[in-house]
Formats: sequence, C-alpha cells, structure tokens
Amino acid sequence: EAQVTQNPRYLITVTGKKLTVTCSQNMNHEYMSWYRQDPGLGLRQIYYSMNVEVTDKGDVPEGYKVSRKEKRNFPLILESPSPNQTSLYFCASSQRGGSYNEQFFGPGTRLTVL
Amino acid sequence: GQQVMQIPQYQHVQEGEDFTTYCNSSTTLSNIQWYKQRPGGHPVFLIQLVKSGEVKKQKRLTFQFGEAKKNSSLHITATQTTDVGTYFCAGNQAGTALIFGKGTTLSVSS
Repeated sequence: EAQVTQNPRYLITVTGKKLTVTCSQNMNHEYMSWYRQDPGLGLRQIYYSMNVEVTDKGDVPEGYKVSRKEKRNFPLILESPSPNQTSLYFCASSQRGGSYNEQFFGPGTRLTVL
Repeated sequence: GQQVMQIPQYQHVQEGEDFTTYCNSSTTLSNIQWYKQRPGGHPVFLIQLVKSGEVKKQKRLTFQFGEAKKNSSLHITATQTTDVGTYFCAGNQAGTALIFGKGTTLSVSS
C-alpha cells in the first residue's frame, strides 16, 4: 500500500531534550516536506527537500533541522525543543516538487513539549 | 510574500444545506489544490485546478478557479454529516512552494 509513515504518532517531552520524528514514503517520491499545524494558523511549511541531499527552508524553519540521505526518508530533528514547538506535525511527499503534484500526507505526529 | 487567504474560518450548517468556502491569493497562481482533513485525520488531496475559469465536479462538490487565477471556491451541495472536516486550499506560483490557506472548518448537524 502506497503510504507515508511517521513515528512516533504521539510524543511528550521536556524542554531541551533532543528528539527526532521519522518520516518514510514507499512511493519513490522525489519531493518531501514537513508541516506544522496549529489552531487558526493552518499548515505551515517547515522544511522541504526536492531530492536526496537537497533541502531548503520553508516558512517556519527556526528550531528545526532535517536531512535527506535516502530518497524514502526525511527525518525532522529538534535539537533543543521548546514549548512553542508543541504542535501537530505532518510529513508529506509528492512525485516531484513544483506546482502540479498532489501531496500525500502522513498520519501526523502530535508533539507536546513541557 | 505570497499569501493565500481562505474564508470563512468556520461554518456550521444543517444537513441538506449548501456550503461554500472561498480562497483568495495576493498573486496570480499557476494552480490551486484542495484538500480535506477529517477530524483527527490528515489532509487528503481532493482536486487540482490549473486553467483559468476551470470548473470541476466530484459528485456534490464543485470546484472553481477564477478567470484571473487569483481565487477559487469549493461548493458542496446538500451537505451530509460525512462532509464534516476542514477544507484547505493550497496554491503557488510556478517554481515556488505550495502555500496553504488556513482552512475552513465545516460542521454539519443532522
């Protein structure tokens, strides 16, 4: 089954404790991205990757890191999480970057930083 | 920078009533996409519009792209409880990242 998977689905952590949220897709998609969703703010892009070893900042990259060493994986790293990073995070992939490609979203990771 | 604005933020209807959400961009878009997110779920792609003035239908859903390619709408005829969720539009200019509107949350009472 074609899908985007994220782990963990739920995470409660404390300020400053490094964490990684994994994202994997099995559709051989070139383009992957991370969004955060907050009430009243919609979906805001954190980082995106056009292909392996190619990453770029989205609208809200501060406090986050990403890497794209393999085509299928695009982990999101929070080196020193803070309470304002409490949010619902979605990973998404599409066949290619650019305008004309449907985004496939993962199930989401609900992160709480105390 | 490019912005995509969506109204209304919330809409409550009685089952059987129609519903419309509107999406407006500050710049001309190369295309617009619509997504639906059920409560507790993730956004799911509904449709993409590319041509100026384009109209597409999916059963009770009608999607329109404005002539100037700066606005779009999603209209649901005779809403059902299964239509509950948040509807997002997303658009971009060619070669730029997809920008999502803040979404319209639809609730339906039977």
